[in-house]
Amino acid sequence: GAVVSQHPSRVICKSGTSVKIECRSLDFQATTMFWYRQFPKKSLMLMATSNEGSKATYEQGVEKDKFLINHASLTLSTLTVTSAHPEDSSFYICSARARGVVSGTSGYEQYFGPGTRLTVT
Amino acid sequence: QKEVEQDPGPLSVPEGAIVSLNCTYSNSAFQYFMWYRQYSRKGPELLMYTYSSGNKEDGRFTAQVDKSSKYISLFIRDSQPSDSATYLCAMSYNQGGKLIFGQGTELSVKP
Repeated sequence: GAVVSQHPSRVICKSGTSVKIECRSLDFQATTMFWYRQFPKKSLMLMATSNEGSKATYEQGVEKDKFLINHASLTLSTLTVTSAHPEDSSFYICSARARGVVSGTSGYEQYFGPGTRLTVT
Repeated sequence: QKEVEQDPGPLSVPEGAIVSLNCTYSNSAFQYFMWYRQYSRKGPELLMYTYSSGNKEDGRFTAQVDKSSKYISLFIRDSQPSDSATYLCAMSYNQGGKLIFGQGTELSVKP
C-alpha cells in the first residue's frame, strides 16, 4: 500500500516553455500533497504544500506564479513550471499524506513518488 | 546553523558490518523523526517513523532518538550491498507537518 506515482519521470524542454508534472496516489486518498525540489547530492527542499480543493501554501522564496500547483482531486496533484529556465533544471519529487490510516501506519507519514528529472535547455 | 545536520559521507563499509548513521538538530520543538532511504534517481522510501525518545526496531534497522541531546541515529545490522543508498533523516514539529530533511548520508556496502 501507499504507492505514489509521478509522470513524466524525465522531461527535457526548451527555455521559455511550460512543463506539467503529475503526482498520483495510486492506492489511497491523499488530503495533502507536498512538492519538493532536490539538487544533486543535496537535501530535499519543500516548495509547497497543497490540500485538495484549496490553494497551495508556498514556502518562502518560492515563486507561486512560476510554480503552479493544482490539487484537483484526492488522488492527483500537478506542478506546472511556467516559462522554464535552465536554473529550474532539477529533480522534482512529490509526496502524499494519506487520508486516514493506511494499514500499518499512523496516518501521518509522507509517501514519496519516484521523482521527475527536469532539464531545461 | 542548519536546523538539521547530517554528515553527507560518503560512508563505505564491508558487507555484514553494522552501520551507524546520525543526525543532530538544533530545535527542541521537533517531535517526530523519520529515516528515509533514497536510491539514485529515485524518490525517498520511508524506513522508520518515531516519536518518543528510545529505540524502535524493524528487522535489521533500529532507530534511536535522544531528545535530551537532540540526536537521532539509524543502525543497520548485517549490512548488504542492496543497502547502498543515500539515507536521509527528517523531522517535523507536529504530526503530519512539514518535514525538515538532513542533507543525506551516502552509504556504500561493499561485497
